[in-house]
Amino acid sequence: DAGVIQSPRHEVTEMGQEVTLRCKPISGHNSLFWYRQTMMRGLELLIYFNNNVPIDDSGMPEDRFSAKMPNASFSTLKIQPSEPRDSAVYFCASSRNSGSGTDTQYFGPGTRLTVL
Amino acid sequence: AQRVTQPEKLLSVFKGAPVELKCNYSYSGSPELFWYVQYSRQRLQLLLRHISRESIKGFTADLNKGETSFHLKKPFAQEEDSAMYYCALKNTGFQKLVFGTGTRLLVSP
Repeated sequence: DAGVIQSPRHEVTEMGQEVTLRCKPISGHNSLFWYRQTMMRGLELLIYFNNNVPIDDSGMPEDRFSAKMPNASFSTLKIQPSEPRDSAVYFCASSRNSGSGTDTQYFGPGTRLTVL
Repeated sequence: AQRVTQPEKLLSVFKGAPVELKCNYSYSGSPELFWYVQYSRQRLQLLLRHISRESIKGFTADLNKGETSFHLKKPFAQEEDSAMYYCALKNTGFQKLVFGTGTRLLVSP
């Protein structure tokens, strides 16, 4: 298994543009997590899904951010319009939710976003 | 509110020296604590969790509920231990992880 796959790996865009980040979880995993990593705030959970349903989106910074999971093998995180303060590394992670809460999260390589 | 504090952004030691990466947390429930590691050009990965009480790559961490700490320790650091280390917390039975801001460990020869 290739693990969690994210695309693109790097994205440079201009302020005001729409940005879409993509994630393919590990096959068989039914929980998916989006994180943002910055120097100042470290790793922050933005949103997570169980069985394609958003469970907790309290970490989504504002309405410019939206996430979807149309099926078990694909998720997107969209920023519209993008701003320079959105520049960060965005990680996707997945886990097999057995219901025990002890499942390990496996992380993707991340997408480094730069908004000019 | 759940919070994880890693007071050191950078910890620099020489090879063979003991290492302790500090982690303190605030949480009123029954937390589970983890250490994640990110080596250069690699993915973030789980290093160890307190419920397993295991030693991974020579690292150990003990949950001290009285001091609300979960410090990561290794008696003799190796150069290959150089990486970014994140302490994380979650409520038992739930999935949401709260991470600290991370500590970069640099082990010099």
